[in-house]
Amino acid sequence: GAVVSQHPSRVICKSGTSVKIECRSLDFQATTMFWYRQFPKKSLMLMATSNEGSKATYEQGVEKDKFLINHASLTLSTLTVTSAHPEDSSFYICSVPSGGEKLFFGSGTQLSVL
Amino acid sequence: GENVEQHPSTLSVQEGDSAVIKCTYSDSASNYFPWYKQELGKRPQLIIDIRSNVGEKKDQRIAVTLNKTAKHFSLHITETQPEDSAVYFCAASGGYSTLTFGKGTMLLVSP
Repeated sequence: GAVVSQHPSRVICKSGTSVKIECRSLDFQATTMFWYRQFPKKSLMLMATSNEGSKATYEQGVEKDKFLINHASLTLSTLTVTSAHPEDSSFYICSVPSGGEKLFFGSGTQLSVL
Repeated sequence: GENVEQHPSTLSVQEGDSAVIKCTYSDSASNYFPWYKQELGKRPQLIIDIRSNVGEKKDQRIAVTLNKTAKHFSLHITETQPEDSAVYFCAASGGYSTLTFGKGTMLLVSP
């Protein structure tokens, strides 16, 4: 399956700062990547679909200006949490579709906003 | 849209026992049903999947069954081992990678 690298694995930041999370597909060119959010002991909630060369598609209820997504190349998508607040603290994880419908996940980023 | 229900939310078994996790889905157009295993703080790992043209699939101790008519699919783990302890998610997809996940089942296998 696809090898997906996500950085950083953990970040602690002050309220009001912005945090950028990178998702790289190391062995597969991905025109689409997915960003999920996961609360403790909860399921994966799709936030947005990142599209190479065009705007991301956001799920209902996800603030576009809060969670900026950029898919600048076929191997890199970034999620920027702008003006982070404690309620944004969560586990963020990206995924890359490979082999049709199979999804392969990055290692996730645990964001803690103080 | 698709809605996936997963049961039970927690499951405790003794080592060597079998474990069964069940899911139902709502969209009859869904045709791809993967199962993921997620250990604490780690990424979900695809462990087995099934497509709608197949009723059952097995990979060593893991098997998945699908009943399209009833819109049910289940994960079966036999001869469970402590390292099987994790959270398991089912998912359903009716289109290109638009997976909808169940809420997860925490499986605890006691030695």
